[in-house]
Amino acid sequence: DTGVSQNPRHKITKRGQNVTFRCDPISEHNRLYWYRQTLGQGPEFLTYFQNEAQLEKSRLLSDRFSAERPKGSFSTLEIQRTEQGDSAMYLCASSLVIAVLNEQFFGPGTRLTVL
Amino acid sequence: AQTVTQSQPEMSVQEAETVTLSCTYDTSESDYYLFWYKQPPSRQMILVIRQEAYKQQNATENRFSVNFQKAAKSFSLKISDSQLGDAAMYFCAYRRGNNDMRFGAGTRLTVKP
Repeated sequence: DTGVSQNPRHKITKRGQNVTFRCDPISEHNRLYWYRQTLGQGPEFLTYFQNEAQLEKSRLLSDRFSAERPKGSFSTLEIQRTEQGDSAMYLCASSLVIAVLNEQFFGPGTRLTVL
Repeated sequence: AQTVTQSQPEMSVQEAETVTLSCTYDTSESDYYLFWYKQPPSRQMILVIRQEAYKQQNATENRFSVNFQKAAKSFSLKISDSQLGDAAMYFCAYRRGNNDMRFGAGTRLTVKP
């Protein structure tokens, strides 16, 4: 296992289009997180899953955003009716929650540009 | 709400010298975790060092060490014997329990040969 992978790495779309990103976590990791990182800023939490259950969503996650983790393995993040303000790097991280101290491993991110 | 502040947008250090990156945070919790992550250009974030709030001893990982001042809510990162490969964005992060992490805005570190 080589770590968390994300696809695509880059996505350019026109305003109003829908886009979907995929994240494949490290095998056996039961937690999966989505973050958004805009230029010059640190990552901001969007949502996280434990297995297939979505446990928390940030208020940053508008109703145009939806995330799924149907079988508790990979996850998808969909943005409907994209806006220019959605342009950012979308990061996925995974962890194994067996103790309180669990390290989040990050993927390389998907860079979204909305024209 | 927990917030993390990194007051140094950019820092520069000469190769082989020591540099300290600052981080302060705000929380009403007593039990939490603090992290420093490194994000090289166009590469993914990797964990540099972590500190459990209940531990008084400062964490150390090879050339990286922290100065954790719980009462002052300060968590600085010291990089000794800086190397060219240390050049990156460094993010300080806070986590309560198993929850999500809150990140600072980052410090861009340049290492001069």
